[in-house]
Amino acid sequence: AQSVTQLDSHVSVSEGTPVLLRCNYSSSYSPSLFWYVQHPNKGLQLLLKYTSAATLVKGINGFEAEFKKSETSFHLTKPSAHMSDAAEYFCVVSDQTSGTYKYIFGTGTRLKVLA
Amino acid sequence: GAVVSQHPSRVICKSGTSVKIECRSLDFQATTMFWYRQFPKQSLMLMATSNEGSKATYEQGVEKDKFLINHASLTLSTLTVTSAHPEDSSFYICSARGSGGETQYFGPGTRLLVL
Repeated sequence: AQSVTQLDSHVSVSEGTPVLLRCNYSSSYSPSLFWYVQHPNKGLQLLLKYTSAATLVKGINGFEAEFKKSETSFHLTKPSAHMSDAAEYFCVVSDQTSGTYKYIFGTGTRLKVLA
Repeated sequence: GAVVSQHPSRVICKSGTSVKIECRSLDFQATTMFWYRQFPKQSLMLMATSNEGSKATYEQGVEKDKFLINHASLTLSTLTVTSAHPEDSSFYICSARGSGGETQYFGPGTRLLVL
């Protein structure tokens, strides 16, 4: 069975400091992993995705994530936080055992950016 | 590219009435669409998966007679909440996936309030 675990439900950082949002996965297959961001009362926006190509994935808005098979991790980082980064972030694995590649969501991490 | 719209963005209805929510892929053909429900401060819960021209596949515990899903074309899926009750009040989000990829693109969501 595939799953993702987001290790922190809340993360607070000061504006201009680095962001680290942690995600660990479990998968019997080579996983496809995604990070999405959700601002209040909005849908989800794709930040980046890993699909077995380069292990360091660059996304939008300065975010990147590194796939580490040995650690079963896919942590999301950004060198310098902006106020506009305050949102909910979801780590997702695609369920390759279902014919429709359903998503399996982490529980989410709420990022707070302090002025 | 890969834009998904939802209509309406917000709807208020009386208990016992039915409400239809539309999900459209604007610039790609969506062979598969997904409907999610999100409770406050929680992750997304998959309700059903629909493939164009086929009956939807519902997740365990989701009443298919209450949540009617139609995916009549490659760009449109609809969710109808029949005989709505206050406990159906929630944030409903759709997503769409094209052929040949695992990535889902999400709509902006529909806030349903049943009085």
